Amino acid sequence: DIEMTQSPDSLAVSLGERATINCKSSQSVLDSSTNRNYLAWFQQKPGQPPKLLIHWASIRESGVPDRFSGSGSGTDFTLTISSLQAEDVAVYYCQRYSYPHMYTFGQGTRLEI
Amino acid sequence: QPQLRESGPGLVKPSETLSLTCTLSGDSLNSGSTYWGWIRQPPGKGLEWIGNTRYSGGPYYNPSLKNRVAISVDMSRNQFSLTLTSVTAADTAVYHCVRPVNHSFDIWGQGTMVTVSS
Repeated sequence: DIEMTQSPDSLAVSLGERATINCKSSQSVLDSSTNRNYLAWFQQKPGQPPKLLIHWASIRESGVPDRFSGSGSGTDFTLTISSLQAEDVAVYYCQRYSYPHMYTFGQGTRLEI
Repeated sequence: QPQLRESGPGLVKPSETLSLTCTLSGDSLNSGSTYWGWIRQPPGKGLEWIGNTRYSGGPYYNPSLKNRVAISVDMSRNQFSLTLTSVTAADTAVYHCVRPVNHSFDIWGQGTMVTVSS
């Protein structure tokens, strides 16, 4: 089975500072035919469904602040929040797609102030 | 922007069948090649993909649930449904209906809590 491991499990960052969350896949998520990494990042606040922040490893969704960025390729990925705001407190999940039709999530990273 | 809303019983007895419905508004289930799916989240835990389907293909299921799960589409009502048989306490979770796109999920229902208990 493909596993997604996030690190750290929890993270405390001061307001205005950078937050970095890592996600490692046990197998590459790169599709060589499209040269796309099928890796996404979600933000989940209490009592709410997850919100898609980034797809294909680095493509920010419409309306997502540009302080959120995604990077990485192959098996190692990073979500960076460049300047933490109070409203960014949440649990963050990475998620991969693998053929023929399977989706796997990381265990989540809790981000606090 | 399309919206999804889950509905169904909040309590199911062990060994019985869980049945949930997702109603789509603001779009049509037969539009293009769009898939529709389900994801669940046990209390205090992470996310698990259950399966996807579309009117013209699929369904596709998580292998860990494949023998117990079915997802179907009712075009006349613009709804799709989840059925999970032989449930146990491990199936207690918030169940979300979702729209898969770009190898991820861009639209989520608010979710409905289902508890498996006698």
